[in-house]
Amino acid sequence: RKEVEQDPGPFNVPEGATVAFNCTYSNSASQSFFWYRQDCRKEPKLLMSVYSSGNEDGRFTAQLNRASQYISLLIRDSKLSDSATYLCVVNEGNFNKFYFGSGTKLNVKP
Amino acid sequence: DVKVTQSSRYLVKRTGEKVFLECVQDMDHENMFWYRQDPGLGLRLIYFSYDVKMKEKGDIPEGYSVSREKKERFSLILESASTNQTSMYLCASSLWGMDGQGGYEQYFGPGTRLTVT
Repeated sequence: RKEVEQDPGPFNVPEGATVAFNCTYSNSASQSFFWYRQDCRKEPKLLMSVYSSGNEDGRFTAQLNRASQYISLLIRDSKLSDSATYLCVVNEGNFNKFYFGSGTKLNVKP
Repeated sequence: DVKVTQSSRYLVKRTGEKVFLECVQDMDHENMFWYRQDPGLGLRLIYFSYDVKMKEKGDIPEGYSVSREKKERFSLILESASTNQTSMYLCASSLWGMDGQGGYEQYFGPGTRLTVT
């Protein structure tokens, strides 16, 4: 079983739509959680960290559910520029052990 | 702004050559990482370092070695390149997280797309 699992998509949505991604993790001792965005043939870039209380940054909201061991990312009012692959990353409390999901591809269409 | 730079964006090497990939970060981060990313396999950790001259194997260290002589610089070495090492190589850095308390976010370099023929 993979440490971190994501639906690979693609999610094809129209501009202005709300879209949500989930990511499940297998180790209940996981400590830190992140969402990264990766554009085609580019490096991953930090989108947001995910805190226990949930956090919001503009159109983006991240939530953590420790009981069910998943994190989510909600994107409201999708823009064409949101088209990318979104990576879920989990750290298990050892500073070196970051586990990456395989990514969820989002296509926002006009 | 955190800046992580890698020595080459694209590299073409022949089978059997020794290949050096260099990574430099300017944020005084303790941790540095080397990953490779392949379609369908995601990012896989090759090696990481938490201090000068310190290194730890990741999930796929075979065929690779690393060197960290200065805090800001982390080199990945392919001792004898093979075609199955054709990949995108990503360097990352982060602050040192206290063991058991979770890690800090990683910052990535632009990547080196290596082709071995």
